[in-house]
Amino acid sequence: DAGVTQSPTHLIKTRGQQVTLRCSPKSGHDTVSWYQQALGQGPQFIFQYYEEEERQRGNFPDRFSGHQYPNYSSELNVNALLLGDSALYLCASSCLTDRAQENIQYFGAGTRLSVL
Amino acid sequence: DAKTTQPPSMDCAEGRAANLPCNHSTISGNEYVYWYRQIHSQGPQYIIHGLKNNETNEMASLIITEDRKSSTLILPHATLRDTAVYYCIGGYFGNEKLTFGTGTRLTIIP
Repeated sequence: DAGVTQSPTHLIKTRGQQVTLRCSPKSGHDTVSWYQQALGQGPQFIFQYYEEEERQRGNFPDRFSGHQYPNYSSELNVNALLLGDSALYLCASSCLTDRAQENIQYFGAGTRLSVL
Repeated sequence: DAKTTQPPSMDCAEGRAANLPCNHSTISGNEYVYWYRQIHSQGPQYIIHGLKNNETNEMASLIITEDRKSSTLILPHATLRDTAVYYCIGGYFGNEKLTFGTGTRLTIIP
């Protein structure tokens, strides 16, 4: 059983460009959350998708957008990249509808984005 | 979400028990306490969680004080592979947003 998988593992972009990161959730999970982790900091919540809709959003600008597909996989899109967007982007999956799983999120290894 | 406070760093000798404290004095009655850890360059890994009672699983034990204002994560026999940043997080079931602080950097010393 594959866990949470993210692609690509590393990415280099220049300022002003756009980027798309991808995430496949753990089997049986229906919810995907995205986090940004700057160097030396804890992960910061970007947003969460459930049933193909954005369910919650953290304090991130509209340049950050996402999508969830019917198979529960998800994408994170960032437009007009800034140097400050350089970070490790983490995807986490969970099962919202199964109370027995009690909000346990399982994380992927992340995509390291460098903006030059 | 409850604000949590953890020491920035701790050392523990290999083979000894590692006890990681966390203060969460503002936690509400139906907020869980979750512990995750992050080994260098990897995604965070779930360890354990609890609401009121002490909990144990194959990785660790979680001791929650009766007033729920603090908790301790115990790794019973620390190994070098337990060197990581450990995060204590308060959260509601169904909320699912995890608010990470800066965690405790635990170093296991041979």
